[in-house]
Amino acid sequence: NAGVTQTPKFQVLKTGQSMTLQCAQDMNHNSMYWYRQDPGMGLRLIYYSASEGTTDKGEVPNGYNVSRLNKREFSLRLESAAPSQTSVYFCASAAGEYNEQFFGPGTRLTVL
Amino acid sequence: GENVEQHPSTLSVQEGDSAVIKCTYSDSASNYFPWYKQELGKRPQLIIDIRSNVGEKKDQRIAVTLNKTAKHFSLHITETQPEDSAVYFCAASIGGSQGNLIFGKGTKLSVKP
Repeated sequence: NAGVTQTPKFQVLKTGQSMTLQCAQDMNHNSMYWYRQDPGMGLRLIYYSASEGTTDKGEVPNGYNVSRLNKREFSLRLESAAPSQTSVYFCASAAGEYNEQFFGPGTRLTVL
Repeated sequence: GENVEQHPSTLSVQEGDSAVIKCTYSDSASNYFPWYKQELGKRPQLIIDIRSNVGEKKDQRIAVTLNKTAKHFSLHITETQPEDSAVYFCAASIGGSQGNLIFGKGTKLSVKP
């Protein structure tokens, strides 16, 4: 099993450009998450999906949209990138009674 | 809103010494407390977790304790080794066992040989 995979690994955008970060999991997990990680800030939840067909805002949703394409895939879209969105983005999936979360390898995004 | 406070932000120990990282949480309904280890440039990895019906859990050199009354939990690493050097994050579930996680800001642990 590959676990949680993310593409791309690195991306540089100019202000105002759009892009979609892709995430897929092969563990048959119901829940999926998108986090951003900034120095000294820990992991902050952007959006999550408790099950296929549902999505909800997390702590820092502004400037992002998500799509739960099917049970395996959960994408994050930046419609008009801003320098403040420079960060490392992690996708995670979870299952079990306590929703143990497992992370993907991350996408390092720089917005110039 | 709910939050998790983590201390210290940096910790330096000599190889073989013990390291302790402490977290406090605000949500009384939290009942799941995982710890993640993140090496430089890598993904966070779950190393141990504790549920609210347990006061202490141990796995080889790492242990976690939970005090629900005081709303704090701690990670203990004994006989530290250079490969324990990493950033460690605590987290707490919001609103019960199926809730989302809220993370502390991390502790950078350095183990000097």
